[in-house]
Amino acid sequence: EVVMTQSPATLSVSPGENNTLSCRASQSVSRNLAWYQQIPGQAPRLLIYGASTRATGFPARFSGSGSGTEFTLTISSLQSEDFAVYYCQQYNNWPLTFGGGTRVEIK
Amino acid sequence: EVQLLESGGGLVQPGGSLRLSCAASGFSFSLYAMNWVRQAPGKGLEWVSSISGSALGGSVNNAHYADSVRGRFTISRDNSKNTLYLQMDSLGAEDTAVYYCAKDPGFGGYDYWFFHYWGQGALVTVSS
Repeated sequence: EVVMTQSPATLSVSPGENNTLSCRASQSVSRNLAWYQQIPGQAPRLLIYGASTRATGFPARFSGSGSGTEFTLTISSLQSEDFAVYYCQQYNNWPLTFGGGTRVEIK
Repeated sequence: EVQLLESGGGLVQPGGSLRLSCAASGFSFSLYAMNWVRQAPGKGLEWVSSISGSALGGSVNNAHYADSVRGRFTISRDNSKNTLYLQMDSLGAEDTAVYYCAKDPGFGGYDYWFFHYWGQGALVTVSS
């Protein structure tokens, strides 16, 4: 099983700041990596797939990068609606696995 | 517009069974792989099960399961009703979660196994 590790667990940031979330895979997943945003009380939404392709409806301040075992999600100039939990997921191997999530909260 | 509507959740006793349904609309259901993902209260996301679609490149109705549910849960689909199912047997407290139905992106007719659209979820509570 590919273990996905996200860091940090919680990120306290002020609106307007730039921040980077990390996701590490225990073995290479190529670029078969997705990111999801989950606002409390709502279902998750696909944010990034193929490690760097932004899903429909998300602005350019969200960007993904990486390949193999190291991936990052960068959120530039955080807006109030960006405070949420972010999960990474690998779809290179069965079983499909998620990281534990990074909570982005208001400082 | 893609819509996924889960139903069938509720309270069940340990050892009991429950069947979740996911009614799909807004897309050609039979062509797309479909998935179940769950989230225990206050916890992260956990993939549960997936079933292939009938588009290019995949075996029809090929199913995959997480180790934690294999042998107890069964995923199925009725393409004539545009509905995905999850039959859950031998339920335990560890199965208490919101269960989400999620659609594969199916780009180019292939199954990708990430989650393009999600339903709002169905709460399953296993308790005596």
